[in-house]
Amino acid sequence: ETGVTQTPRHLVMGMTNKKSLKCEQHLGHNAMYWYKQSAKKPLELMFVYNFKEQTENNSVPSRFSPECPNSSHLFLHLHTLQPEDSALYLCASRPQGTDSPLHFGNGTRLTVT
Amino acid sequence: GQQVMQIPQYQHVQEGEDFTTYCNSSTTLSNIQWYKQRPGGHPVFLIQLVKSGEVKKQKRLTFQFGEAKKNSSLHITATQTTDVGTYFCAGANFGNEKLTFGTGTRLTIIP
Repeated sequence: ETGVTQTPRHLVMGMTNKKSLKCEQHLGHNAMYWYKQSAKKPLELMFVYNFKEQTENNSVPSRFSPECPNSSHLFLHLHTLQPEDSALYLCASRPQGTDSPLHFGNGTRLTVT
Repeated sequence: GQQVMQIPQYQHVQEGEDFTTYCNSSTTLSNIQWYKQRPGGHPVFLIQLVKSGEVKKQKRLTFQFGEAKKNSSLHITATQTTDVGTYFCAGANFGNEKLTFGTGTRLTIIP
């Protein structure tokens, strides 16, 4: 149990589908993150939320739409994705305003067909 | 933008041999963190270094932060099969919560 739970663990979707990834943390953290991990690439930061407010959008295409309804939940809404978007999507959290370590969820393995 | 490079990209060692991965940042860091990701798993925090020249040990693992706070290393003594995985460094800049991850070093152990 990581304290950060992501669902689903695996997702296969077509390019015309709309799906959402969910992340939930029970650690009392106020900052939540979405990272993308592709083969042969370093972890890429996508979005950062602090106290439900988006504070970082790392030039992510608009086909990825994040939502943070409260400090414990984070969503990533997906629509009209491309095959190159296939990757492991990791959610992470940590206390806001500190240099504390990131706590990662198990990730969602996304395959776009 | 900030870049964090790690070498080597891959390392295959015989069980019992030592292993070292090196991390280099294009900018001075406020701190550096190390993570381990087992095959099929997610990154798990190992340690954080903050001070210039800092050295920390965790059993067979030794972490160093360079004097200029732009580089770091992780050394594993007498590797075991449980050490298999990818080791990432992640650098933080002053006043910025954004962590930039290195490219990672994938360690495989030959029994």
